[in-house]
Amino acid sequence: AQKVTQAQTEISVVEKEDVTLDCVYETRDTTYYLFWYKQPPSGELVFLIRRNSFDEQNEISGRYSWNFQKSTSSFNFTITASQVVDSAVYFCAPRGNNRKLIWGLGTSLAVNP
Amino acid sequence: GAVVSQHPSWVICKSGTSVKIECRSLDFQATTMFWYRQFPKQSLMLMATSNEGSKATYEQGVEKDKFLINHASLTLSTLTVTSAHPEDSSFYICSALSGSSYEQYFGPGTRLTVT
Repeated sequence: AQKVTQAQTEISVVEKEDVTLDCVYETRDTTYYLFWYKQPPSGELVFLIRRNSFDEQNEISGRYSWNFQKSTSSFNFTITASQVVDSAVYFCAPRGNNRKLIWGLGTSLAVNP
Repeated sequence: GAVVSQHPSWVICKSGTSVKIECRSLDFQATTMFWYRQFPKQSLMLMATSNEGSKATYEQGVEKDKFLINHASLTLSTLTVTSAHPEDSSFYICSALSGSSYEQYFGPGTRLTVT
């Protein structure tokens, strides 16, 4: 089976709090890519990160960081010192050899002032 | 960076009419384009995959005669919703796969409202 589980449907935090969005995936491919996208209220998808399944090195980019654990098929995303502009729906999406993204249900993040 | 445009960004049409949505890769050639539909507060649902010069491959449950896809060039794919009904009202998103980098780039989406 190929699927993505984003167990947190909605998260609400107060500005400056740290927040972690969970993602667990299943894929039948041995090599694959993992993506995170942000979808603000405007609807346009914003690419955040791509990670190759061979590369388990965690990554930090400004206030964003990602924790990839291949052994547990998880690819979690943390926002440090959240801001109101971070309010959006966040999607985790693996992509296998057929080049199709597998979409989870997304996590709706509300950052309140 | 690579840019994908969609036109129109929003459209309102009457039930029974057809509407065409264009998806263009502006600065790269897209061998493959994907069409998605997204209902409010739901995830993206892949409708079809189109390859330049060949027929689109539709996902299970998507009516190919209702959602006509044409990928006539390496920079343009069109989705035509034929005989639209109110239940076709949705947010339609295209994405283009770069033939050189295999990166996937998304258009800004088209909001269709059928009255």
